[in-house]
Amino acid sequence: GENVEQHPSTLSVQEGDSAVIKCTYSDSASNYFPWYKQELGKRPQLIIDIRSNVGEKKDQRIAVTLNKTAKHFSLHITETQPEDSAVYFCAADSGGSNYKLTFGKGTLLTVNP
Amino acid sequence: DGGITQSPKYLFRKEGQNVTLSCEQNLNHDAMYWYRQDPGQGLRLIYYSQIVNDFQKGDIAEGYSVSREKKESFPLTVTSAQKNPTAFYLCASSYGGRSNQPQHFGDGTRLSIL
Repeated sequence: GENVEQHPSTLSVQEGDSAVIKCTYSDSASNYFPWYKQELGKRPQLIIDIRSNVGEKKDQRIAVTLNKTAKHFSLHITETQPEDSAVYFCAADSGGSNYKLTFGKGTLLTVNP
Repeated sequence: DGGITQSPKYLFRKEGQNVTLSCEQNLNHDAMYWYRQDPGQGLRLIYYSQIVNDFQKGDIAEGYSVSREKKESFPLTVTSAQKNPTAFYLCASSYGGRSNQPQHFGDGTRLSIL
């Protein structure tokens, strides 16, 4: 089955700096890669997603890049703010006819004022 | 998302007891999912259902059971066979279709053992 590795597990940056979180996946048939943000005790919320027919997608301060050949994708947050502090999860779909998502173990991002 | 409601918010289980977690959605989504979240473990899939009256085991289905009798409801039962049930349980739903669609989550149920 799909295996998703996420790094780093914790990341601390100063306000205004950029943050990058990286994920690798194992199933070459995967074609959908969402990113979720989860604040403490709350539900995960989708912040951006990318499909295999594009290499990069941007939404204001957030961008995701995908390298299908290398089977890795990354989340980039620019001009970080304290409210960006949360746990971020990457995920990849099963690539088959079902609807499974496999999640990485998460990255705790702390933005220091 | 306001369209997915999980209840209760907190639940306590006694030894040998089965407990049922509720998940209801009014988003008209075809697919529904149950995940378990443990500290440092990310989200692990317990069961998922693509359509009414059908469901499949996820990666950690042992000790759990589900039903999907209605499109909007996907209850999860944590049986006494699940020896380590203490965790945060998240329900999600998504549209069906050929390619995967974004999953939307409920607020979760935190289950603890008495």
